[in-house]
Amino acid sequence: GENVEQHPSTLSVQEGDSAVIKCTYSDSASNYFPWYKQELGKRPQLIIDIRSNVGEKKDQRIAVTLNKTAKHFSLHITETQPEDSAVYFCAASAALGLGSQIIFGKGTRLHILP
Amino acid sequence: NAGVTQTPKFRVLKTGQSMTLLCAQDMNHEYMYWYRQDPGMGLRLIHYSVGEGTTAKGEVPDGYNVSRLKKQNFLLGLESAAPSQTSVYFCASSYLGVEAKNIQYFGAGTRLSVL
Repeated sequence: GENVEQHPSTLSVQEGDSAVIKCTYSDSASNYFPWYKQELGKRPQLIIDIRSNVGEKKDQRIAVTLNKTAKHFSLHITETQPEDSAVYFCAASAALGLGSQIIFGKGTRLHILP
Repeated sequence: NAGVTQTPKFRVLKTGQSMTLLCAQDMNHEYMYWYRQDPGMGLRLIHYSVGEGTTAKGEVPDGYNVSRLKKQNFLLGLESAAPSQTSVYFCASSYLGVEAKNIQYFGAGTRLSVL
């Protein structure tokens, strides 16, 4: 089955700097890679996603890149702000006829330092 | 449109007791999932369902049972609770749609403590 590794587990950056979180996956059949943000005490919410036929996607200050050959994908947050402090989860999914499972990474706790 | 609703929000059980967690969604989604979240372990899939009357095991199914008798509801049961089942439980629903994106819509979570 699919296995998703996420690094680092904790990341601290100065406000205004960039943050990068990296994930690898094992199943070459995976073709959908979402990122979820979970603020303290809240539910996870989708912030950006990418399909395997696209190498990069950007939405304002966040971007995701995918290297399908190497089975790597990354989340990039630029000009970080205090409200970016949260736990971020990457995930991988393969669309199957009987429905698809999402396999999540273990998460990265991002601290934005003033 | 409430989205995904979980009940209860909090529960304390004694070892050996049983309970059922209820997940309800009003988005007409085909797929529903139960996850547990433990510190440093991310979200681990317990069981999932691809439609009314169907269930399947996820990554950590032992000690749990599920039922999907109605499309909008997905129940998670603990027959004999153990301290190792102390966790935060999240339900989610999704549909694949035209782009086949499995976007998960999560409930607010249930915090369960087993003493």
